Amino acid sequence: DIQMTQSPSSLSASVGDRITITCRASQYISNYLNWYQQQPGKAPQVLIYGASTLHSGVPSRFSGSGSGTDFTLTISGLQPEDFATYYCQQTYINVKTFGQGTKVEVK
Amino acid sequence: QVTLKESGPVLVKPTETLTLTCTVSGFSLSDARMGVSWIRQPPGKALEWLAHIYSNDGKAYSTSLKSRLSISKDTSKSQVVLTLTNMDPVDTATYYCARVGLARDAFDVWGQGTMVTVSS
Repeated sequence: DIQMTQSPSSLSASVGDRITITCRASQYISNYLNWYQQQPGKAPQVLIYGASTLHSGVPSRFSGSGSGTDFTLTISGLQPEDFATYYCQQTYINVKTFGQGTKVEVK
Repeated sequence: QVTLKESGPVLVKPTETLTLTCTVSGFSLSDARMGVSWIRQPPGKALEWLAHIYSNDGKAYSTSLKSRLSISKDTSKSQVVLTLTNMDPVDTATYYCARVGLARDAFDVWGQGTMVTVSS
């Protein structure tokens, strides 16, 4: 299986901050990398797919980059509704694994 | 409007088999490039992908749970069924189904999830 490692596991930030979450794959996955946001008690929602394509309706302060094994999710200008847990997921192979998540908390 | 809804038991006993149903609407399970996955999340823990079924009935399973999992679909009923045998308390989790509807097999629509507790 392809292992997905996110860092950090958690971070504290303030409204307006720019934050970056990284995701590393244990082997090459091209751009088969998706990012999800999960609010407490809710199902996850896709933010970015194909490493850098913003899903319809997702604010432009979210951006993704990377290819191969190293990827980043950036939020430029953190908003109150962005405090949540973020997961990366690889879909390069049929076994579609998630990262362990990054919790973004209020500083 | 595309929706997915999970249903199944709230409580199962250890060693029992869990059967969950995902009922979809707004699309057909036979539509090309459409597929449905099951994902679970133990309380306070990360998402864990379990299984996927493709429009052509191809299937994929989590390597660690493959021996206990089975996924199937009934296109006429718009349902995807997941079974997990030999349930254990560590299988206590919220179970989600989600549709692949975007490029790179991203999940664009998720069900609300159903909480399953394993306890005697």
